[in-house]
Order: sequence, then structure tokens, then C-alpha cells
Amino acid sequence: KAGVTQTPRYLIKTRGQQVTLSCSPISGHRSVSWYQQTPGQGLQFLFEYFSETQRNKGNFPGRFSGRQFSNSRSEMNVSTLELGDSALYLCASSDPSGRNTEAFFGQGTRLTVV
Amino acid sequence: GNSVTQMEGPVTLSEEAFLTINCTYTATGYPSLFWYVQYPGEGLQLLLKATKADDKGSNKGFEATYRKETTSFHLEKGSVQVSDSAVYFCALKLSGGYQKVTFGTGTKLQVIP
Repeated sequence: KAGVTQTPRYLIKTRGQQVTLSCSPISGHRSVSWYQQTPGQGLQFLFEYFSETQRNKGNFPGRFSGRQFSNSRSEMNVSTLELGDSALYLCASSDPSGRNTEAFFGQGTRLTVV
Repeated sequence: GNSVTQMEGPVTLSEEAFLTINCTYTATGYPSLFWYVQYPGEGLQLLLKATKADDKGSNKGFEATYRKETTSFHLEKGSVQVSDSAVYFCALKLSGGYQKVTFGTGTKLQVIP
């Protein structure tokens, strides 16, 4: 069974640009969550999607947005990039309707804003 | 709200030493508890989990027991190896619906030969 796949692995963007990150969950998992990891703030929850609807949202500005497609793949978009957006962005998939509660993470996308 | 507190790192041990990384939590409901491990340049891997009180999660020689009375989930390993060098995250997730994972700040473990 394939794991969670995130693309691209690395990105370098200029301040003010926008970026789109992609996440393909484990087959059969319909919930996708996004997290931002930085040395200073640790792992912070961005949002969660289930059945193409945002179900839960963290405390991030509106520049951070996401969506989920009918095949459960998800994209995350950051507009008007700031230097502080440099981070490792992690995607996790899970099956809220199943007995197992754990989230499975991808390798992450390392975003560098210059 | 929910929170996870784990011991500050870095922790430096010699190979074959005993490892304990402390983790305590507060939760508004009845959480499942997890330990995740992150190797350099990688994402998070689930190391072990426990879903109810007194459950013991174990994997690759690591163990942790869900202690409801002390709200703790300490990670232990009897004999660490250099390959165990990584960052370890304690985490919780409430059951039901769309619950986010709440993470501790992570503990960096360095094992020296």
C-alpha cells in the first residue's frame, strides 16, 4: 500500500509570490490534514479536509488556503509569500470513520522563501 | 484545550544506554496517544500508539504505556543504537470526527558510538 505522497519535495520562492503544494493520501483515506513545521514554532496545524470540505482550521492567516478533490488528493496554497513562511509543510492522511485513529505523514515539502 | 508537554532536548546517550523521554498531556476528552519519530530531512513516522488506559504500545524495541492516572505516555528503550538518533514527538488525538493531532515540541536524541 503506497504511503502519503507530497510534491514537490523542495521549493524555493521569492517573497510576494504564491505557491501550491500537493498531497496524495493513502488509498482509502478520505481525511487530509496539513501542518507547518518550523524550528521556532514546532508543528502547527493548518487545516483538515474531509470529503472535499474543510472540517477544521488552525490559527493561520487567510493567505493559507487549501482544497480537496473528489479523489481525496489535496492542495495547499500560500499567497503573497513572506520570509516567515519558510518551513517544512507536512501532509497527513487518516480514516476518521475507521477504528484506527492515527495519522500517517508524508515526507513533506521544504519551502524556502527568499 | 489540549496540550502535550515533553522533556527538553537534546538528549545525548552512549550506544546501548537506556532511554526515557517523558511526555505528559492534558486533554478535554479521552485521547489516543502516539509517538512519532522524525529522521533528518524526513517526514514523521508513527513509532507506536496506545488508544486506552493501561495499553502499552511497542515497536522496534521502543515502548510506552498509557497512564491515565498520571496523564503520561513516557517513551522507553532498553538499549539505544546510533540509528535511533532522531527527533521524537509525543502526540495526542481525540477520537470521533475531525480531530487534529496535537504535538509536543519534540525531543532530539543523539546516540554516540
